Amino acid sequence: AQTVTQSQPEMSVQEAETVTLSCTYDTSESDYYLFWYKQPPSRQMILVIRQEAYKQQNATENRFSVNFQKAAKSFSLKISDSQLGDAAMYFCAYRSKSSGDKLTFGTGTRLAVRP
Amino acid sequence: GAGVSQSPSNKVTEKGKDVELRCDPISGHTALYWYRQSLGQGLEFLIYFQGNSAPDKSGLPSDRFSAERTGGSVSTLTIQRTQQEDSAVYLCASSLSPGVYNEQFFGPGTRLTVL
Repeated sequence: AQTVTQSQPEMSVQEAETVTLSCTYDTSESDYYLFWYKQPPSRQMILVIRQEAYKQQNATENRFSVNFQKAAKSFSLKISDSQLGDAAMYFCAYRSKSSGDKLTFGTGTRLAVRP
Repeated sequence: GAGVSQSPSNKVTEKGKDVELRCDPISGHTALYWYRQSLGQGLEFLIYFQGNSAPDKSGLPSDRFSAERTGGSVSTLTIQRTQQEDSAVYLCASSLSPGVYNEQFFGPGTRLTVL
């Protein structure tokens, strides 16, 4: 079974600085997708960024980028120029066709942004 | 257009009572997922509906949990004889079609508290 591990329960960053959230996963598959979701206090999960395992190039969405290390099964999220609105829970997730399209989530990292 | 909606937003019930949680997916989305988020935990998959196919119930924790999807649209998650460990946020998501690439759009969830 696939597992996703987020080893940082809480992180803090100064506004305008850069922070990296860690995620590792375990799978025997070669074709899968990885995601980072943001969950603000409103509870609604918002997709931040996704990465296809077969793509070597790291995904980037504005201030958000990932460092995808397939061999190491590592998928970290870098947030540049942190803003107060970035404060939220961040979840790393895995999805593959063989797992029935469902998402497997890590336990999350709570990010605080200091003004 | 409208996103995924869930009702009620919050539900408080007494141990042993039955509860029904509702999910209205985005119009035209054929795939619908239910997840459970317990305090301090990541999201746990419960059940997945795709069109007229038999649902994937592999994540349901016990036979007290059931779900149905009527007319390929609205879904209801029913928990019978609720227990205190059922207290959690129940999140629903939908996607345009199945497939690992297609984004799952989440609703705001229902917070269930069992006294």
